Amino acid sequence: TQLLEQSPQFLSIQEGENLTVYCNSSSVFSSLQWYRQEPGEGPVLLVTVVTGGEVKKLKRLTFQFGDARKDSSLHITAAQPGDTGLYLCAGLDNYGQNFVFGPGTRLSVLP
Amino acid sequence: NAGVTQTPKFQVLKTGQSMTLQCAQDMNHEYMSWYRQDPGMGLRLIHYSVGAGITDQGEVPNGYNVSRSTTEDFPLRLLSAAPSQTSVYFCASSPRTGGWRNQPQHFGDGTRLSIL
Repeated sequence: TQLLEQSPQFLSIQEGENLTVYCNSSSVFSSLQWYRQEPGEGPVLLVTVVTGGEVKKLKRLTFQFGDARKDSSLHITAAQPGDTGLYLCAGLDNYGQNFVFGPGTRLSVLP
Repeated sequence: NAGVTQTPKFQVLKTGQSMTLQCAQDMNHEYMSWYRQDPGMGLRLIHYSVGAGITDQGEVPNGYNVSRSTTEDFPLRLLSAAPSQTSVYFCASSPRTGGWRNQPQHFGDGTRLSIL
């Protein structure tokens, strides 16, 4: 079974601070996605990365896929209260059929 | 834009009862799936379907059944509810056409299920 680990599990910061959350595995993934989930709602896709070393930017969010495609990071610049939520990474399994989810990082941005 | 619709939103059951969680999507997506979300464990795949008439087991299928008679609907049945099945259940759908690995899974808003 492919496993994804995420760190930190919880993060509480002040508005305006920068932060990085991590998604790690001992397995190689051909595709990795990041989702954000708000209370009472389902996850919503932020980005998909497929190439080792790939960097994608979404406004203040920067996503990086590791060269070996075993890890990924999400960096948020100048965090805002609207960034509060559960951040989940998901990797496509070895059969290329389903996505395996990490346990998530719960981010709280205080005004 | 309805997307993925799950019903009910909340449900309380007694141990041993059975029930069906409904999921419907209006995007003509081939792939549909059911996950359960428990604190600190992320989303775990219960069952999935790559098209009408085709279903398969995920990581945690025991105690659950599914069927896919139409493209739109993918109900999840709890056969005999147990307290360990207390969780939040999410249904998701996504296309399986070319480039699907870059496509998002579209999630419903979940069903919060408590088994007493």
